Amino acid sequence: EVQLLESGGGLVLPGGSLRLSCGASGFTFSSYAMSWVRQAPGKGLEWVSGMSGTGGSTYYADSVKGRFTISRDNSKNTVYLQMNSLRAEDTAVYYCAKALRSFDWLPSDYWGQGTLVTVSS
Amino acid sequence: EIVMTQSPATLSVSPGERATVSCRASQSVSSNLAWYQQKPGQAPRLLIYGASTRATGIPARFSGSGSGTEFTLTISSLQSEDFAVYYCQQYKNWPPESTFGQGTKVEIK
Repeated sequence: EVQLLESGGGLVLPGGSLRLSCGASGFTFSSYAMSWVRQAPGKGLEWVSGMSGTGGSTYYADSVKGRFTISRDNSKNTVYLQMNSLRAEDTAVYYCAKALRSFDWLPSDYWGQGTLVTVSS
Repeated sequence: EIVMTQSPATLSVSPGERATVSCRASQSVSSNLAWYQQKPGQAPRLLIYGASTRATGIPARFSGSGSGTEFTLTISSLQSEDFAVYYCQQYKNWPPESTFGQGTKVEIK
């Protein structure tokens, strides 16, 4: 059974940093691209970042480019999202998600339960 | 950026009736279109990908159609568990890019 479990969310001051983690199990982690998708309270979904299975390729939405960094440790079956220079508009539930097929990045077939990041003074 | 526009914003349907949700892309996305269902407090669930292929375990009452810029999600006979918010997503695999529609809430009439 595929499982994704995010952690690391919390309350952070504007301009601060936070690192999210997503532990995966139930599939060959290194074979699949992983994504981070966020959802502001009461709002829709926004794809934030993705990383290939090998970790050799990354991609970011313009809204987070230069501030967020995605990484993964295939030996630990974990993907990370380092978030710097956080802004109030980054407040959201952050989901990690697994690519449907090993040779594609999108769409995502399994999602974690999400972790809430609140940026506020 | 490709903008995805869903309609209607809210759909009121009685159990057993058909529900149809539309999604329009600001430019062609070919068949790179997925549909998700999201219930309160839960993560999205993949229903349809490639515009018309049901994901594993998705009941046959869910179907998707369309290509290019116009897409439709149809739920043939609404069950109580189908009342939720539905999102369309366009995606491109290289370079990776994705945008979601704003969501359609399907509520009990």
